[in-house]
Amino acid sequence: DAGVTQSPTHLIKTRGQQVTLRCSPKSGHDTVSWYQQALGQGPQFIFQYYEEEERQRGNFPDRFSGHQFPNYSSELNVNALLLGDSALYLCASSLRTGSSYEQYFGPGTRLTVT
Amino acid sequence: EDQVTQSPEALRLQEGESSSLNCSYTVSGLRGLFWYRQDPGKGPEFLFTLYSAGEEKEKERLKATLTKKESFLHITAPKPEDSATYLCAVPYRGTGFQKLVFGTGTRLLVSP
Repeated sequence: DAGVTQSPTHLIKTRGQQVTLRCSPKSGHDTVSWYQQALGQGPQFIFQYYEEEERQRGNFPDRFSGHQFPNYSSELNVNALLLGDSALYLCASSLRTGSSYEQYFGPGTRLTVT
Repeated sequence: EDQVTQSPEALRLQEGESSSLNCSYTVSGLRGLFWYRQDPGKGPEFLFTLYSAGEEKEKERLKATLTKKESFLHITAPKPEDSATYLCAVPYRGTGFQKLVFGTGTRLLVSP
């Protein structure tokens, strides 16, 4: 049973550039959420995708955008990168119609902005 | 806004020295509380879900309990491989979809 996968593992970008991160959910899951985790902090919710639409959004600027594909995989795009965007980006998958709210996380993508 | 507070921020134990981690929350209508383990540079690994006060879950040396205002993660006779950051989270349900609100975690270090 494949778990949540993310790519790439690490990424180094320059301030002002754009980046795309990718996520494949756990088999059988249809909802993908993205989180940003700064060093020493808990994950912060960015947004959530279900049926290829953004359903809920956290307190992140419009520079952060996403997409979900028909196979439930997802992308996170960040434009005009700032130094403060350096963090571990986590993807989590869940099942929308289940009674449980459990979310399962991928290994993350470490983004460094220089 | 729902809030989750974890204590202590860091905990150093000797191998075999049992202790407890605390997670307190303020939410309207708890729909579960989750515990995760996170190793450095990795994604959180799901440990437990607790849904109602009085509920307990166990896995190896870990036991999670839940009251109406807080949850405890008890670690019995820990080993060095239990060293990690332990995160708790509650689901906040807005517009029918859920996001997780996390605490800042407890960094546990178990020395041999």
